[in-house]
Amino acid sequence: QKEVEQDPGPLSVPEGAIVSLNCTYSNSAFQYFMWYRQYSRKGPELLMYTYSSGNKEDGRFTAQVDKSSKYISLFIRDSQPSDSATYLCAMSAGGYNFNKFYFGSGTKLNVKP
Amino acid sequence: GAVVSQHPSRVICKSGTSVKIECRSLDFQATTMFWYRQFPKQSLMLMATSNEGSKATYEQGVEKDKFLINHASLTLSTLTVTSAHPEDSSFYICSASTGGEQYFGPGTRLTVT
Repeated sequence: QKEVEQDPGPLSVPEGAIVSLNCTYSNSAFQYFMWYRQYSRKGPELLMYTYSSGNKEDGRFTAQVDKSSKYISLFIRDSQPSDSATYLCAMSAGGYNFNKFYFGSGTKLNVKP
Repeated sequence: GAVVSQHPSRVICKSGTSVKIECRSLDFQATTMFWYRQFPKQSLMLMATSNEGSKATYEQGVEKDKFLINHASLTLSTLTVTSAHPEDSSFYICSASTGGEQYFGPGTRLTVT
């Protein structure tokens, strides 16, 4: 079983739709949860960084963490064609290994104009 | 802020030759840098963790004699792929850490012919 599971998509939505992206994980030690956006042939760009359970909002983006279910989500409101990219979740256990990130395989999102 | 650059962005080399990839943090000092590789439609796989002034820590299955990492300063880490083979063709991405977050470079596409 992979440490982090993520549906690869592709996910295709019309412009303006609400997008829900999700990851599940198996390691209960994970405490830090990140979402990255990666455009084709580019490096990942940090979108959201959360610690432990709860919600975090930044503009059109909301990150949710449910540690009891080992499930994290990223919501994108009013999606735009420029949001079309691959979204990667990442997580780490913190402590001594806080820098060791485990990545999902990424979900490819296509927002149609 | 938090910009990481990589050079070159793409390189083609012949089998048996060595290739050096540079990773620089442009506007911050990074005590730790990371090297990942990413195959098409797959997630980022951590290869090694590099701390300034000390030897790199390699992940299981990564040959340290093949992938030489030098972290010469707080803003520069290099990855040298020695005696490259076609199976080393991949997208290599570095990241630099400050305060627990990782900022990624744009990646280097290596093609070994």
